[in-house]
Amino acid sequence: NAGVTQTPKFQVLKTGQSMTLQCAQDMNHEYMSWYRQDPGMGLRLIHYSVGAGITDQGEVPNGYNVSRSTTEDFPLRLLSAAPSQTSVYFCASSYGGLNTEAFFGQGTRLTVV
Amino acid sequence: SQQGEEDPQALSIQEGENATMNCSYKTSINNLQWYRQNSGRGLVHLILIRSNEREKHSGRLRVTLDTSKKSSSLLITASRAADTASYFCATAPLNDYKLSFGAGTTVTVRA
Repeated sequence: NAGVTQTPKFQVLKTGQSMTLQCAQDMNHEYMSWYRQDPGMGLRLIHYSVGAGITDQGEVPNGYNVSRSTTEDFPLRLLSAAPSQTSVYFCASSYGGLNTEAFFGQGTRLTVV
Repeated sequence: SQQGEEDPQALSIQEGENATMNCSYKTSINNLQWYRQNSGRGLVHLILIRSNEREKHSGRLRVTLDTSKKSSSLLITASRAADTASYFCATAPLNDYKLSFGAGTTVTVRA
């Protein structure tokens, strides 16, 4: 029972490089989201999706891109990495109805130098 | 902007004592949820309380919700070393799936 799987767990990028953080869930959840966690700031919503083919921006979307071609996968793309994007990134999924809990991946720790 | 704010930011207690943390939020909600995060790990859902509920229990956890004051509290009774973690409240606004998290309360349980 894998749940929400994120890869990679750790990544170091140089400023200006691009990369994709992978997120996959095997629970047939409609709703998926990406958060970043910075010290003292809790989790901030980057992008979210309410189903395949549907995505929308969250609180801090700039510098990130997402797509949702399947129910299972929700990759997050960093277009041109900046030191301000150094953070821990979490992917989450839920059934999508109101009053449902979110299931989180283990996170990707990204450092941009 | 963050919807929920936890208080205190940090809490240190002796094993066996109770731990109480509070969450305040700004706008009307559909539900409020509490999550736990152990160091270096993802968040784990603890409990969800709906806007029409006032109190909910789950094992050693007790959550209250006061929608008139826009606040919630999480009580952990008879704490254990394994309860050492950060605790986050998250609010779901009316008719929306998006969860908004606070900055969390870091709880340390001393043996």
